[in-house]
Amino acid sequence: NAGVTQTPKFRVLKTGQSMTLLCAQDMNHEYMYWYRQDPGMGLRLIHYSVGEGTTAKGEVPDGYNVSRLKKQNFLLGLESAAPSQTSVYFCASSSDRGRLSGYTFGSGTRLTVV
Amino acid sequence: GNSVTQMEGPVTLSEEAFLTINCTYTATGYPSLFWYVQYPGEGLQLLLKATKADDKGSNKGFEATYRKETTSFHLEKGSVQVSDSAVYFCALRVETSGSRLTFGEGTQLTVNP
Repeated sequence: NAGVTQTPKFRVLKTGQSMTLLCAQDMNHEYMYWYRQDPGMGLRLIHYSVGEGTTAKGEVPDGYNVSRLKKQNFLLGLESAAPSQTSVYFCASSSDRGRLSGYTFGSGTRLTVV
Repeated sequence: GNSVTQMEGPVTLSEEAFLTINCTYTATGYPSLFWYVQYPGEGLQLLLKATKADDKGSNKGFEATYRKETTSFHLEKGSVQVSDSAVYFCALRVETSGSRLTFGEGTQLTVNP
């Protein structure tokens, strides 16, 4: 059982380039999330999805877009990368909206924008 | 709104020392409380949770008790090991938050042999 898989694990981009980060989960979870983690700032929510075909903005959505065309996949796109987007990105999923469940996290994508 | 405050790190201990990482929260509604652990180069893993007042979550020698009267969920371990070196995150989740977890900023723990 793979859980939550993120690809790629590492990437270096030049300023202005675009890329897509892929998150795939095999647990049939409805809810999926994208976070970024920066030193001294903890985890900040970028976008999330409450089901196939739906997306919503989190705390820091600017500069990112997302899509959830299939229930198992949640894509995070950077249209024109900036050095401020250098970060570690984590995807997570959850089985329901209830308060009893935690999240399952992927192992992260380390992105550097030069 | 919802928020989680953790004690500032980093925390450095010797092996077999007693560990406490403080966590307090504010929440609109009745939260469940969680501790996550992040080992170097990895994602977050659920360590333990408690879903109602006075519940004690426990796992791998770690414990935390849901204290509604003090709005706290402090993480403790009686004897830490070098392998416990990691970043620890306290988090809460309420039904009214749109299903989202609210995280504290994390506490870096280093255990020296």
